[in-house]
Amino acid sequence: SQTIHQWPATLVQPVGSPLSLECTVEGTSNPNLYWYRQAAGRGLQLLFYSVGIGQISSEVPQNLSASRPQDRQFILSSKKLLLSDSGFYLCAWITGPTSNTEAFFGQGTRLTVV
Amino acid sequence: AQSVTQLGSHVSVSEGALVLLRCNYSSSVPPYLFWYVQYPNQGLQLLLKYTSAATLVKGINGFEAEFKKSETSFHLTKPSAHMSDAAEYFCAVRDRGSTLGRLYFGRGTQLTVWP
Repeated sequence: SQTIHQWPATLVQPVGSPLSLECTVEGTSNPNLYWYRQAAGRGLQLLFYSVGIGQISSEVPQNLSASRPQDRQFILSSKKLLLSDSGFYLCAWITGPTSNTEAFFGQGTRLTVV
Repeated sequence: AQSVTQLGSHVSVSEGALVLLRCNYSSSVPPYLFWYVQYPNQGLQLLLKYTSAATLVKGINGFEAEFKKSETSFHLTKPSAHMSDAAEYFCAVRDRGSTLGRLYFGRGTQLTVWP
């Protein structure tokens, strides 16, 4: 079956510390993967997307980076966290260009930078 | 680029009352349209989607949405609200035929249901 896993569920990190959030997908190959961020009181902002191994596109300049080391693995990272990086991060896998398109979301990571 | 407008960041209704959450999109070519629900600290769950000719789409939990091309709208409704409907709701669009599959989201509407 098709599933998407994201971890950790919650994270409290001090300013200046590194970050690594991981997302993995099961039940497919070569998925299109996305990282979204939901800041308090705001909608979902697309941060990065990837259509294949090593292929990363960034939507907004920021303190974060993403990597796709394996076909079904998508990682969101930061070398030094800022307070403004706090938020709810969601990994998504979105399928197909046709009317059968579907989106699968991870359970999300609540990141609090203190 | 697509844009999605959800009118009203907060909507409050009494239990048993009609729920109406508004969504408008910007593109001239009708996109695929979605409504998602998010409970606190959870991912998004698909309520319903519009991808074909049927303009009235029925989803889970008694929700439905009507696609109106002339109004570029896809409003979400439920005849009778339940306490368990309290959550945040997101409208999203995706360009037809796009191989990338990117979803553009509205800012979300927080639904509160009063007893």
